[in-house]
Amino acid sequence: AQSVTQLDSQVPVFEEAPVELRCNYSSSVSVYLFWYVQYPNQGLQLLLKYLSGSTLVKGINGFEAEFNKSQTSFHLRKPSVHISDTAEYFCAVSDRLRGKLIFGQGTELSVKP
Amino acid sequence: DAMVIQNPRYQVTQFGKPVTLSCSQTLNHNVMYWYQQKSSQAPKLLFHYYDKDFNNEADTPDNFQSRRPNTSFCFLDIRSPGLGDAAMYLCATSYGVNEQFFGPGTRLTVL
Repeated sequence: AQSVTQLDSQVPVFEEAPVELRCNYSSSVSVYLFWYVQYPNQGLQLLLKYLSGSTLVKGINGFEAEFNKSQTSFHLRKPSVHISDTAEYFCAVSDRLRGKLIFGQGTELSVKP
Repeated sequence: DAMVIQNPRYQVTQFGKPVTLSCSQTLNHNVMYWYQQKSSQAPKLLFHYYDKDFNNEADTPDNFQSRRPNTSFCFLDIRSPGLGDAAMYLCATSYGVNEQFFGPGTRLTVL
């Protein structure tokens, strides 16, 4: 079985500051890793994914994440945030056999001017 | 553009009155999922279709049913909605076990 822990439920940050949203996972099998963003009253949009290969993954909107197998982490980063990045961010894992997504509880990113 | 479409975006129903939510996709994906997302919570998988095979999650209430008449369409039926069923319902699709693509969701209100 897999599980995902997002270590911060809320992250307030000022515009143009860097941000890191933390995600740890546990699994007894190899997994795929994802970050999704959800704006109010919208569905989930894929930011980036790690399937294999390079551990540094670049996504849309200037976000990137680094897969760290030894620490079982997949933290999301952006060097300079905008007001428009204010949203809920979900980290998720899926096993490579069944593809079922397991989500973390979400991190609310609030960017202030 | 290829996409996942959900109708309606907002649905209001009365306590106990059956309701159906619709999802369609132009991605030609073989897997379709239904999630329930309550306020400030992560999406919770209700069930999914892998091709024509229906897979129900163990803790999905019997009140929730689903139909997939063809590859493109999938429906969520709530037979007798209760106040606790008010939520955002998200449809997603994937090709096999690859990444899932989500629709915009249907916000269900139960009066």
